[in-house]
Amino acid sequence: SQQGEEDPQALSIQEGENATMNCSYKTSINNLQWYRQNSGRGLVHLILIRSNEREKHSGRLRVTLDTSKKSSSLLITASRAADTASYFCATDAYGGANSKLTFGKGITLSVRP
Amino acid sequence: NAGVTQTPKFQVLKTGQSMTLQCAQDMNHNSMYWYRQDPGMGLRLIYYSASEGTTDKGEVPNGYNVSRLNKREFSLRLESAAPSQTSVYFCASSEAQRGNEQYFGPGTRLTVT
Repeated sequence: SQQGEEDPQALSIQEGENATMNCSYKTSINNLQWYRQNSGRGLVHLILIRSNEREKHSGRLRVTLDTSKKSSSLLITASRAADTASYFCATDAYGGANSKLTFGKGITLSVRP
Repeated sequence: NAGVTQTPKFQVLKTGQSMTLQCAQDMNHNSMYWYRQDPGMGLRLIYYSASEGTTDKGEVPNGYNVSRLNKREFSLRLESAAPSQTSVYFCASSEAQRGNEQYFGPGTRLTVT
């Protein structure tokens, strides 16, 4: 069963706007990761945030984690048409050598030029 | 550096036929994973291998077998294909000492008729 549940399921925005995607999960985690998937391609890792971290940045990406609410958000600032893709959150309960991910169902982001 | 490679890219099988999906990585990662992706379901873990010589079941292992041939290669076998196994299959690898982010192959699109 899916651990992460993303919200919304689909998001359509204008180029230049910010996109915010949310993920909720049910059990305790070691880390949470966000991935992007372009149509017909494999997933690409975007960012990892550990359970003892609250916020991380990578370029135009900002991820927050609230372990008390079991939720995370991914913010893409100044979106571009090339950001059009599906985005997945994935939780890792154990980390380390026992790492395995449980993925949500994904969010479809469309960025209109 | 090819990263994670998968063969074949596409395959059509008849019910009851068998086949092996091949995966190889050249990043010297210890951990490797097989997922299936179905519309609206996100990615679900079939089997994983935390290190050479070990394999473990994931969320949906029924109907599949795996072999961790060596550190580089991790194959997935369908002994008697069923229409319910029509899906896109992804292989991934990761390394605990480099942060557990997973690197994905391009996928194999399998149709069972």
